[in-house]
Amino acid sequence: DTAVSQTPKYLVTQMGNDKSIKCEQNLGHDTMYWYKQDSKKFLKIMFSYNNKELIINETVPNRFSPKSPDKAHLNLHINSLELGDSAVYFCASSQGTTPGELFFGEGSRLTVL
Amino acid sequence: ILNVEQSPQSLHVQEGDSTNFTCSFPSSNFYALHWYRWETAKSPEALFVMTLNGDEKKKGRISATLNTKEGYSYLYIKGSQPEDSATYLCAFLSYNTDKLIFGTGTRLQVFP
Repeated sequence: DTAVSQTPKYLVTQMGNDKSIKCEQNLGHDTMYWYKQDSKKFLKIMFSYNNKELIINETVPNRFSPKSPDKAHLNLHINSLELGDSAVYFCASSQGTTPGELFFGEGSRLTVL
Repeated sequence: ILNVEQSPQSLHVQEGDSTNFTCSFPSSNFYALHWYRWETAKSPEALFVMTLNGDEKKKGRISATLNTKEGYSYLYIKGSQPEDSATYLCAFLSYNTDKLIFGTGTRLQVFP
């Protein structure tokens, strides 16, 4: 039973489309995150939510909108996809507000053509 | 801008060799230092979360030390095995922010 699961694992789409990536954790953690692995392999924080409340919102284009319907789910919706959005997106969760050990999902590889 | 640097970028060793790599981070406002192991096509998995200066943690053949005053942590692998091949990431957390800042990792390959 996967602790942090993301869907889809792979997503290929055209420029200009809108797409969503879903994330669910069954660990009972309070905080969930979205990270982007950029072209230089850096993992960069995008957003974090604690109990459905937005805590961190990095300098991310407002085409990216996270949604947390409950504390076990954090979805990422991306409008008007651009070529530069191609990356691997990782969801993670941790207990508490201040990050303890992060538990990562397997990543969602987004390719924008 | 908080910089977290790891060296070397990559490392190739023979099975049985012991190895170590470095994570450098800002020495001010330290809160915690994380180490993660990231195998290809999998997700990063936590190895250690370290908070105290002088801390030393161990998990099997892998151990880590922490010097918060000078801003570095070492990860050691004793008697490397092919299954240790992975990218090892460190991540720094400061008092000022709830954001974990990741380094670019050290990619280790262990040859049989």
